[in-house]
Amino acid sequence: DTGVSQNPRHKITKRGQNVTFRCDPISEHNRLYWYRQTLGQGPEFLTYFQNEAQLEKSRLLSDRFSAERPKGSFSTLEIQRTEQGDSAMYLCASSLDAPPLTGELFFGEGSRLTVL
Amino acid sequence: KQEVTQIPAALSVPEGENLVLNCSFTDSAIYNLQWFRQDPGKGLTSLLLIQSSQREQTSGRLNASLDKSSGRSTLYIAASQPGDSATYLCAVEGYSTLTFGKGTMLLVSP
Repeated sequence: DTGVSQNPRHKITKRGQNVTFRCDPISEHNRLYWYRQTLGQGPEFLTYFQNEAQLEKSRLLSDRFSAERPKGSFSTLEIQRTEQGDSAMYLCASSLDAPPLTGELFFGEGSRLTVL
Repeated sequence: KQEVTQIPAALSVPEGENLVLNCSFTDSAIYNLQWFRQDPGKGLTSLLLIQSSQREQTSGRLNASLDKSSGRSTLYIAASQPGDSATYLCAVEGYSTLTFGKGTMLLVSP
């Protein structure tokens, strides 16, 4: 399968614990995005990478959140000291940015987080 | 700040009907507009991408149009089938991010 892969698919944790999600994008894609989606809402932008550089972060991304994309390949999203309000689906997407055209985004299946 | 609105929020139709989903956005300075499909508990599947210089795109029974100046897009689904039941999301790309609407939940009954 050459699509976007996310792990784990589901994570249940207790409040205060740290969690980490991994995203493996489509191999030739240079852009990688993280979104968060809660029930009944559209996905909300968290952050994105152009290769290994993190170029933009949303105000939704508090100090407890950190994302990395070492070597411009896979990415990790870590949430420290989780809160119940962090419960959501975390979606990763990738695209090939080829100016002047902007790339089509391809999403993974998501990682669902439940904080008890 | 870009805002994307989708109407209707939910739609129920019998199989075989043609239908139109609407999307509007407040800032016309966009690079592209994408329509996605999302099945319950799943990720998003890209359906159609319309670059800002284009007016429409077609894929099978789907046709999407874009009127950037008026901030509107429509997704037309011909001859709907029960397998089309899903949530359809519209998203516009600005300088670096996609802004999504809340989606239209479609139910096609046999």
